[in-house]
Amino acid sequence: QEQLVESGGGLVRPGGSLRLSCEGSGFIFSDYYMNWVRQAPGKGLECVSYMSLSGSTIYYADSVKGRFTISRDNAKNSVYLQMNSLRADDTAVYYCARKYSGGSLDLWGQGTVVTVSS
Amino acid sequence: QSVLTQPPSVSGAPGQRVTISCTGSSSDIGAGYDVHWYQQLPGTAPKLLIYGNNNRPSGVPDRFSGSKSATSASLAINGLQADDEADYYCQSYDSSLSVVFGGGTKLTVL
Repeated sequence: QEQLVESGGGLVRPGGSLRLSCEGSGFIFSDYYMNWVRQAPGKGLECVSYMSLSGSTIYYADSVKGRFTISRDNAKNSVYLQMNSLRADDTAVYYCARKYSGGSLDLWGQGTVVTVSS
Repeated sequence: QSVLTQPPSVSGAPGQRVTISCTGSSSDIGAGYDVHWYQQLPGTAPKLLIYGNNNRPSGVPDRFSGSKSATSASLAINGLQADDEADYYCQSYDSSLSVVFGGGTKLTVL
């Protein structure tokens, strides 16, 4: 069946870096825009980045611009989020999600937890 | 602060109908972008509930429906059930093609 599986989360000190990975299976990965959406503890959803099929279109939320970099490897059915200069307010569950009709997100991973703390 | 405005909470008794509003502006919903709705059960990832304003993905019961008008949208849940208790989020885009979410609404089934 179709699924997305994230990995790479963990505990990191302020100013540190992490690289999140998301691997898709059960569908043609290269046919879809991919998004990273985060949810801080007890808070709502925030899309931090998305990338088009070939990588020609990239979006970053203002909150992460200049610190986070999205990339993808369609041969590996994977999308990545390189997170640098991490801050306490980056603490969240990070989900990858597939873009569907009209810009909806129809397939989500289980999430990976990022905790930024000293 | 979220771009789209939702009520923090709504409640209803089993069998009742509840609606959740999502208010945007001329820069997002009012600019013609579709509205989508997600259900998030405690401790789980969001699940797409309604896409393209009023379409249900396969497997979503027809008790759930969506509508859109001008700069706002609504999610209606008919025949409320205990397992509908969850957080609900609306989502759209803005004119800079940013993905925008509502702040979420917690539905309590009394």
